[in-house]
Amino acid sequence: SAVISQKPSRDICQRGTSLTIQCQVDSQVTMMFWYRQQPGQSLTLIATANQGSEATYESGFVIDKFPISRPNLTFSTLTVSNMSPEDSSIYLCSSGQGGNTEAFFGQGTRLTVV
Amino acid sequence: GEDVEQSLFLSVREGDSSVINCTYTDSSSTYLYWYKQEPGAGLQLLTYIFSNMDMKQDQRLTVLLNKKDKHLSLRIADTQTGDSAIYFCAEMDDSNSGYALNFGKGTSLLVT
Repeated sequence: SAVISQKPSRDICQRGTSLTIQCQVDSQVTMMFWYRQQPGQSLTLIATANQGSEATYESGFVIDKFPISRPNLTFSTLTVSNMSPEDSSIYLCSSGQGGNTEAFFGQGTRLTVV
Repeated sequence: GEDVEQSLFLSVREGDSSVINCTYTDSSSTYLYWYKQEPGAGLQLLTYIFSNMDMKQDQRLTVLLNKKDKHLSLRIADTQTGDSAIYFCAEMDDSNSGYALNFGKGTSLLVT
């Protein structure tokens, strides 16, 4: 199984600022994903982080708001830009290997925007 | 997108069995998952089942899959207070989703 570490685990941020969340996997993985879990809700996929190319965003999410980096096969970052209180959520990183059935998650980053 | 539906709440007494149900609409779902989320924590992968299986057992957990009805269930035997959490059902269609998961809204299990 893959162990995924996210930093920070939580943060309280002022509106208008940006926060970068880091995701580190203990082994090389093909796929990395970023999800958002709004309060009391399920998980929604933000984007797939592609190594060596731009991330693939889901409908409703754009690169200017959620820029993503994937510099290598074990690391990715998600930035939440120009934050507003509506961005208050848990952000989770996930990894997967093409053809491997298991999909593991980090512990999440609990973001509160005030 | 495709839907994954779960009942929102379930309450059981300690020692009883819990059954959490999930339905999905994507007939191309390849893998189906159960995750557990405790308060303030991330997602813990409990178990998963390949779509060509109809049952999988792992200690106290039994997963049943009715592919015809697109119905998945998770049975927890001898439920303990530590099992109180939110349980998410998720499906993956590896033919077009790029291995990302599609989640239900979660079932909040309360063990009394």
